[in-house]
Amino acid sequence: EVQLVESGGGLVQPGGSLRLSCAASGFIFNTYAMSWVRQAPGKGLEWVSAISGSGSGGSTDYVDPVKGRFAISRDNSKNTLYLQMNSLRAEDTAVYYCAKDRGSSSGWGFDYWGQGTLVIVSS
Amino acid sequence: EIVLTQSPGTLSLSPGERATLSCRASQSVSSSYLAWYQQKPGQAPRLLIYGASSRATGIPDRFSGSGSGTDFTLTISRLEPEDFAVYYCQQYGSSPILTFGPGTKVDIK
Repeated sequence: EVQLVESGGGLVQPGGSLRLSCAASGFIFNTYAMSWVRQAPGKGLEWVSAISGSGSGGSTDYVDPVKGRFAISRDNSKNTLYLQMNSLRAEDTAVYYCAKDRGSSSGWGFDYWGQGTLVIVSS
Repeated sequence: EIVLTQSPGTLSLSPGERATLSCRASQSVSSSYLAWYQQKPGQAPRLLIYGASSRATGIPDRFSGSGSGTDFTLTISRLEPEDFAVYYCQQYGSSPILTFGPGTKVDIK
């Protein structure tokens, strides 16, 4: 059974940092592209960042508002996806989901999602 | 940037009725890279359709997807009580490489 379990969310002051983790199991983790998708309270879904699987070189990409502040990475030996978030802003407040892509590169559809971890940026 | 527009914003229907949801892209989208998701309150999204028309594993056949280019449709042939939810389309393309539409809420009339 595929499982994605996020952790690391919480309350942080503007300008602060957090590192989110997503522990994956039930599939060959290094093969698949992975993404972070966020959802602000009462709002829609916003893709944040993606990292390709080992077959596609582990390339990364980001939505413009987080470029230079967030960094996605993966540790295939630990079957874990990460999102390092720096210089956090109030508008980064959201539930952050990790999502598994159907393919080694992004874009084929997210067939599994974690339960989400809430990040609140507030003083 | 490819912008996805979904209509209507809210669709009020009764169980047993047919639901037709539209997703329009500002530029042509490869059908291979168009997906639909269902999200219920307090839950993560669930993949319904990928490649514009292929049902994901375990998705009932009352859900179907169609379309190409800039116009895509999700159809629910006969609404079941568990189908009342928010539906998002999503595309993969140029930067940002992945975008979601704003969603269509299907609620009970």
